[in-house]
Amino acid sequence: DAGVTQSPTHLIKTRGQQVTLRCSPKSGHDTVSWYQQALGQGPQFIFQYYEEEERQRGNFPDRFSGHQFPNYSSELNVNALLLGDSALYLCASSLVGHSDTGELFFGEGSRLTVL
Amino acid sequence: AQKITQTQPGMFVQEKEAVTLDCTYDTSDPSYGLFWYKQPSSGEMIFLIYQGSYDQQNATEGRYSLNFQKARKSANLVISASQLGDSAMYFCAISPTNTNAGKSTFGDGTTLTVKP
Repeated sequence: DAGVTQSPTHLIKTRGQQVTLRCSPKSGHDTVSWYQQALGQGPQFIFQYYEEEERQRGNFPDRFSGHQFPNYSSELNVNALLLGDSALYLCASSLVGHSDTGELFFGEGSRLTVL
Repeated sequence: AQKITQTQPGMFVQEKEAVTLDCTYDTSDPSYGLFWYKQPSSGEMIFLIYQGSYDQQNATEGRYSLNFQKARKSANLVISASQLGDSAMYFCAISPTNTNAGKSTFGDGTTLTVKP
């Protein structure tokens, strides 16, 4: 049973550049959520995609955008990178409404460093 | 808005002993879900245990149990018979509903170190 996979695992960008991170959800899951985890902090919710639409969004600027494809995989795009965007970006999948607990299944994350 | 507070930045426990990791929460939602996750150094967050706000009994999953005190708004994680592999970061999280944890709010975590 394939778990959540993310790519790339590590990447380095410079200020002002754009980045795209990719996520394939756990087999059978239809919902993808993205989180940003700064060093020494807990994850912060960016947004959630379900049925190819953004359903919920956290307190992140419009520089952060995403997409979900018909096969449920997802992309996170960040434009005009700032030094403060350096973080571990976690993708989490779930099966909304079909689980007793609705817990999230996470990938190992993409570590972004902005120089 | 929902908030999670984890007041223990780091905890130490001797192998085979039990340890309690503290978590308090704040929410105005009448219904909510509480979760605990483990994050090893690899970075992947691993789901451990869930407690629904209307559940009458404390949740248990193997060596993990959740001490849920609704009136005090606390959801402490108890790990029994600690193992060296339990050394990791532990995060408490809350979501507005129990069927969609997508928009979860996490605490800043507790680093647990298990000593041999």
